[in-house]
Amino acid sequence: NAGVTQTPKFRILKIGQSMTLQCAQDMNHNYMYWYRQDPGMGLKLIYYSVGAGITDKGEVPNGYNVSRSTTEDFPLRLELAAPSQTSVYFCASRSGLNTGELFFGEGSRLTVL
Amino acid sequence: GENVEQHPSTLSVQEGDSAVIKCTYSDSASNYFPWYKQELGKRPQLIIDIRSNVGEKKDQRIAVTLNKTAKHFSLHITETQPEDSAVYFCAQGGANNLFFGTGTRLTVIP
Repeated sequence: NAGVTQTPKFRILKIGQSMTLQCAQDMNHNYMYWYRQDPGMGLKLIYYSVGAGITDKGEVPNGYNVSRSTTEDFPLRLELAAPSQTSVYFCASRSGLNTGELFFGEGSRLTVL
Repeated sequence: GENVEQHPSTLSVQEGDSAVIKCTYSDSASNYFPWYKQELGKRPQLIIDIRSNVGEKKDQRIAVTLNKTAKHFSLHITETQPEDSAVYFCAQGGANNLFFGTGTRLTVIP
């Protein structure tokens, strides 16, 4: 199993541009998450999904959108990028609500200039 | 989101000493409390977790204690080694989510 795969690993955007961060998992996990991690800070939940076709907002959803058309994929879309969205983005998944371990992708470092 | 406070934000210990990191939470319905370790430039990885029906759990040099009445839980690392140097995050399991603390940067001085 590849686990959780994120692309791209690095990206530089200009203010106002849009882009999609891709996330895929091959573990047949129902639960998927997007977190952002600002320098020297903790992980803030952006959006999450408990299964295909179901998404919900986390702590910091403004400026982002997600979709979950399949169990495997959970892309994060940034519309009208702003410097405040400069961060490292982590996608994660786990199999069920109380089944413990969150498996993280390697992260995507996004810079908005 | 649910509030998880983590202290201290930085911690330096001599190799071989113990390290303790504490977290407090607000949601009394939470029942799952994991700890993640993140090495520089890497992804967070689970090191130990505890559920609300248990007061303490140990795995070699790492232990976690939970006090549900006081709503706090702690990570204890004994006989610290240089490879323990990393950022440690506590987390609190909510209805569908995990909410993370702000992290503790642990430095083990050889």
